[in-house]
Amino acid sequence: ELKVEQNPLFLSMQEGKNYTIYCNYSTTSDRLYWYRQDPGKSLESLFVLLSNGAVKQEGRLMASLDTKARLSTLHITAAVHDLSATYFCAVDMGVQKLVFGQGTRLTINP
Amino acid sequence: DTAVSQTPKYLVTQMGNDKSIKCEQNLGHDTMYWYKQDSKKFLKIMFSYNNKELIINETVPNRFSPKSPDKAHLNLHINSLELGDSAVYFCASSQEADTQYFGPGTRLTVL
Repeated sequence: ELKVEQNPLFLSMQEGKNYTIYCNYSTTSDRLYWYRQDPGKSLESLFVLLSNGAVKQEGRLMASLDTKARLSTLHITAAVHDLSATYFCAVDMGVQKLVFGQGTRLTINP
Repeated sequence: DTAVSQTPKYLVTQMGNDKSIKCEQNLGHDTMYWYKQDSKKFLKIMFSYNNKELIINETVPNRFSPKSPDKAHLNLHINSLELGDSAVYFCASSQEADTQYFGPGTRLTVL
């Protein structure tokens, strides 16, 4: 059974700092998604990574995928308070069955 | 203009009752999903339908029954509600293996 593990689960950081969230998964997949969830809200799609070596960037967020290492990273550059949220990675097991990580709760302090 | 909508947004009910949650998408997607998010924010897929055909049917109690009258709608009916059913239920839709778009969620509280 596919397991998806995020690290860290909780992250408190200062504005202006850089940090990385890691997403490891246990079986082969070449399709991975990152989502953001604000408290009490729905999930918002951030990135879709479709192949080994894929890298996508949007504003202060950059995501990458290494299918050989079964690892995806979400890098935050010069964090701002508005990025405070819970971030989920999700791996496609096939037939669009997504298995989600536990989520990383990110708090960015002024 | 809401892409994926769900009703109701909140549902509070007694144990043993039967309830339904409705989902509609206006994105023209072929595939719709139901997810459950528990109190620890863990998300797990329950069902998916593609053009009214059941594709994913995870290990959920058979008290949960999805119904898709057409490809734009996917409803979730829950019989004999239990305390452990309390959660947020999200509907989502996608076009094949593209991004899944999530609805606003239905917070179910079973008393």
